Amino acid sequence: NAGVTQTPKFRILKIGQSMTLQCAQDMNHNYMYWYRQDPGMGLKLIYYSVGAGITDKGEVPNGYNVSRSTTEDFPLRLELAAPSQTSVYFCASVTNTGELFFGEGSRLTVL
Amino acid sequence: DQQVKQNSPSLSVQEGRISILNCDYTNSMFDYFLWYKKYPAEGPTFLISISSIKDKNEDGRFTVFLNKSAKHLSLHIVPSQPGDSAVYFCAASAASGTYKYIFGTGTRLKVLA
Repeated sequence: NAGVTQTPKFRILKIGQSMTLQCAQDMNHNYMYWYRQDPGMGLKLIYYSVGAGITDKGEVPNGYNVSRSTTEDFPLRLELAAPSQTSVYFCASVTNTGELFFGEGSRLTVL
Repeated sequence: DQQVKQNSPSLSVQEGRISILNCDYTNSMFDYFLWYKKYPAEGPTFLISISSIKDKNEDGRFTVFLNKSAKHLSLHIVPSQPGDSAVYFCAASAASGTYKYIFGTGTRLKVLA
């Protein structure tokens, strides 16, 4: 089924560890996004990309990095994990009609 | 600075009745608005959208109303069903070509059977 695939679904990290959240879409969408959702909060935009090779910061980019080498993939890297990065992370792409199409999320806990 | 606000964290409605979820925004540059539904442990799913050139958009049981002068939009669900129980988010974007949606904090709807 066409869609946005995120891996891993769950991960526990120790403070200071690094990891990459993977996101892939097979809908040939140019625009891709990373959001995080904290309990009781809305989704906050971390980084976004309007096409391969182009990325830009969103509302809460500190502590994260992204790359976009292909249209399909948009990985999110955490270099030095901190407890404040405990959250649920959602990757999304924009459809032809301008709506965000989300993946199922990746739940990250930093201890 | 919360540009998109959903001031009701939760709402309970009897099955068959109307559910009205509200959303306010502060940025007058916002011109496209979306509503999403989210079940636990799933990603948000798109429900309905409205452009600032309209004041109403309808899709089946779901209708979104936009009042630009009040910077307010609402989602009406009629009739409400138990399967509608979820968290609902509104989101807004400005015509920048980047689709950088700003989300509200969500309203948890519970439809009672």
